[in-house]
Amino acid sequence: GAVVSQHPSRVICKSGTSVKIECRSLDFQATTMFWYRQFPKQSLMLMATSNEGSKATYEQGVEKDKFLINHASLTLSTLTVTSAHPEDSSFYICSAQDKGTGLYGYTFGSGTRLTVV
Amino acid sequence: GESVGLHLPTLSVQEGDNSIINCAYSNSASDYFIWYKQESGKGPQFIIDIRSNMDKRQGQRVTVLLNKTVKHLSLQIAATQPGDSAVYFCAENFYTGRRALTFGSGTRLQVQP
Repeated sequence: GAVVSQHPSRVICKSGTSVKIECRSLDFQATTMFWYRQFPKQSLMLMATSNEGSKATYEQGVEKDKFLINHASLTLSTLTVTSAHPEDSSFYICSAQDKGTGLYGYTFGSGTRLTVV
Repeated sequence: GESVGLHLPTLSVQEGDNSIINCAYSNSASDYFIWYKQESGKGPQFIIDIRSNMDKRQGQRVTVLLNKTVKHLSLQIAATQPGDSAVYFCAENFYTGRRALTFGSGTRLQVQP
């Protein structure tokens, strides 16, 4: 089945530094990838939709200059948290939509636990 | 709009019992629904999906029921096992589009041995 690899699984960084999270579709092409954020005991909140070769679409309230998304190929999207602060500490999850199955092919990565100290 | 969970309701069942997890979805125009299982520190894992032209779909030990009249979705797990302990989310989408899934607030299932 479709597999999405997300790295790193955990990262601790100092306040003010930037962190890059990678999301790769291993055995399928992903025209669209989605980035979610999840706080403890809460649901997944969509941050942005990433389309290959074009600018990401951000949800209301999500700072595009703080959460940089790049989707340079059909198998890779990256989320960079710039100038991270403790309030950015969260669980970040990517999801890729299979270009082939399109409508139904949502596959999730294993998530990245970001801790900003 | 997005569904935000402020806290997770918990369903506690005995091993071997059947579990029913409910979800009220938000968009009457949504016509594709998925149930996900999420274990601690992991991404969501697909369980079962259903399109709006159906009201019931069965998988292995799981059944999803859809009531479009009241915008309600349920997940039934038969013979619940300790390995079923996790947080369960329903998600909705337009099946004709490429928009992201909108997640419900989630329910924590605790299976007592």
